[in-house]
Amino acid sequence: DIVMTQSPATLSVSPGETATLSCRASQSISTKLAWYQLKPGQAPRLLIHDASTRATGIPSRFSGSGSGTDFTLTISSLQSEDVAFYYCQRYDKWWTFAQGTKVEIK
Amino acid sequence: EVQLVESGGGLVQPGGSLRLSCAASGFSFSTYSMNWVRQAPGKGLEWISFISTNSRTIYYADSVEGRFTISRDNAKNSLLLQMDYLRDEDTAVYYCTRGPPIYTVAWYFFDFWGQGSPVTVSS
Repeated sequence: DIVMTQSPATLSVSPGETATLSCRASQSISTKLAWYQLKPGQAPRLLIHDASTRATGIPSRFSGSGSGTDFTLTISSLQSEDVAFYYCQRYDKWWTFAQGTKVEIK
Repeated sequence: EVQLVESGGGLVQPGGSLRLSCAASGFSFSTYSMNWVRQAPGKGLEWISFISTNSRTIYYADSVEGRFTISRDNAKNSLLLQMDYLRDEDTAVYYCTRGPPIYTVAWYFFDFWGQGSPVTVSS
């Protein structure tokens, strides 16, 4: 089975600064990777699919990159409403999530 | 506007059963595959089941295979999850998610999610 790993577990970023989240697959998944945002009490939201395509309505400060085994979610100019958990997911065959990154305001 | 609203969660004893429902609106339900995903307390997300548009293709995670049954009623725009032989480790928030549109390969991202229905398995 392909294992998905995210780092760091927690990321503290000052408002207006850039948050960089990493996701690694134990084997190549091409660009079959999505990023989701989870906030307590809200429906999870798709941010990025196919590694770098922003979902409809997602602000341009969210960007994704990578292919193969290494992927990155970048949140530019972090805002207070970006405080959340972020998960990457492979969907090349089956669906597996990594353990998540908590983004908080420093 | 796409909406997915889960219901049916609650407290159940180990070994018991529960049936979750997901009411879909704002899109042509019969033309999209659907999934269930869960999140245990303090844990990450876990995909548990997939169903195709015509219910002919169904997948389960090993953790629920043989105990959970996914189904759908396209006439009622409804997704269901029958959960039997529940265990303590099934305690989680259960999310209904939209999968790929018809004629698209199953391996696809989840573009819309419901707010979740909490299930607690405890004696």
